Amino acid sequence: GENVEQHPSTLSVQEGDSAVIKCTYSDSASNYFPWYKQELGKRPQLIIDIRSNVGEKKDQRIAVTLNKTAKHFSLHITETQPEDSAVYFCAATSNQGAQKLVFGQGTRLTINP
Amino acid sequence: NAGVTQTPKFQVLKTGQSMTLQCAQDMNHEYMSWYRQDPGMGLRLIHYSVGAGITDQGEVPNGYNVSRSTTEDFPLRLLSAAPSQTSVYFCASSRTSAAYEQYFGPGTRLTVT
Repeated sequence: GENVEQHPSTLSVQEGDSAVIKCTYSDSASNYFPWYKQELGKRPQLIIDIRSNVGEKKDQRIAVTLNKTAKHFSLHITETQPEDSAVYFCAATSNQGAQKLVFGQGTRLTINP
Repeated sequence: NAGVTQTPKFQVLKTGQSMTLQCAQDMNHEYMSWYRQDPGMGLRLIHYSVGAGITDQGEVPNGYNVSRSTTEDFPLRLLSAAPSQTSVYFCASSRTSAAYEQYFGPGTRLTVT
């Protein structure tokens, strides 16, 4: 089955700098890659997703890139702000019959003022 | 819309007790799922359902049962609670079983002593 590895487990950046979180996946059939943000004590919420027919997707300060050959995808946050502090999870699914998301272990991002 | 709701928010059980975690959604979503979240392990899929009357196992199904008698409700039953089931449980729903955004409930924090 699918296996998703996420790095780093913790990341601390200065406010205004960029943050990058990387994930690798094992199943070449995976074709949907969402990123979820979870603030302390809250539920995970989707912030951006990408499908395997696209190499990059941007939404304001957030972007995701996908390298299907290398089987890795990354989340990029530019001009970080204190409200970006949270745990971020990547996930992957092959959507064969039904969506069965496999999540990475999570990255705790801290933005230092 | 209330979205995805879960009850209870907190629960303490003794080893061997059984209980049901409730999940409901009012968005007429076909797909519903249950995850458990443990520190350093991300979210792991327990069971999922692609529609009323249809359920299937996820990554970590042992010790849990589900049923889906209506589109709105997807309860998770712990048959005989064990300390290893101490976790935060999230229910999620998605418009279809295809790869779309999953909306998470607020979670249930379960402690088994």
